[in-house]
Amino acid sequence: AQSVTQPDIHITVSEGASLELRCNYSYGATPYLFWYVQSPGQGLQLLLKYFSGDTLVQGIKGFEAEFKRSQSSFNLRKPSVHWSDAAEHLCAVDGGYNKLIFGAGTRLAVHP
Amino acid sequence: EAGVAQSPRYKIIEKRQSVAFWCNPISGHATLYWYQQILGQGPKLLIQFQNNGVVDDSQLPKDRFSAERLKGVDSTLKIQPAKLEDSAVYLCASSLGGTTRAGYNEQFFGPGTRLTVL
Repeated sequence: AQSVTQPDIHITVSEGASLELRCNYSYGATPYLFWYVQSPGQGLQLLLKYFSGDTLVQGIKGFEAEFKRSQSSFNLRKPSVHWSDAAEHLCAVDGGYNKLIFGAGTRLAVHP
Repeated sequence: EAGVAQSPRYKIIEKRQSVAFWCNPISGHATLYWYQQILGQGPKLLIQFQNNGVVDDSQLPKDRFSAERLKGVDSTLKIQPAKLEDSAVYLCASSLGGTTRAGYNEQFFGPGTRLTVL
């Protein structure tokens, strides 16, 4: 069965520091992969997606993610975190027919 | 362009009561989704509509949950009777279409309804 694992429940970084959030997936075919951000009281916003081609994808707000098939991973990175990045970050895989399967999320806190 | 609208934003009820949530998708979006997000977990798909037909309701607890999308536009999700474990955020999303992997359509999410069952 398809699944997504985000090993880190909480991560705290200092503003200006680099960031990497981990995501591992289980899917039989070539996956469609996504990262969403969820701020309190707001809906999910798509940061970036991977369908095929270049394994390094760029998204909004300076985020990028790298698809590594050999490791079944799709880690999210940002070279310099801003205080406004503090939020819940959710990794997801398309389980077929536009059905999204989400990980449990990683809550990012940013220290000034 | 207006986004996905949901109401109410918050709801507190006693267990065994009934509750209903409303969602109005982005204009022209054929596909509508309801997700349940329990605290500390990622969203879980409850039901997916394509126009006014159900595509997937495999994870909808049909003994207490029901959903409809009359006329293929807005949708209502109902819980009757509610249990303590139904406390969660209920998210609605919509997309242009996309019931095949060949034609993926981005899902746009509403702000959600936070339900607390006491």
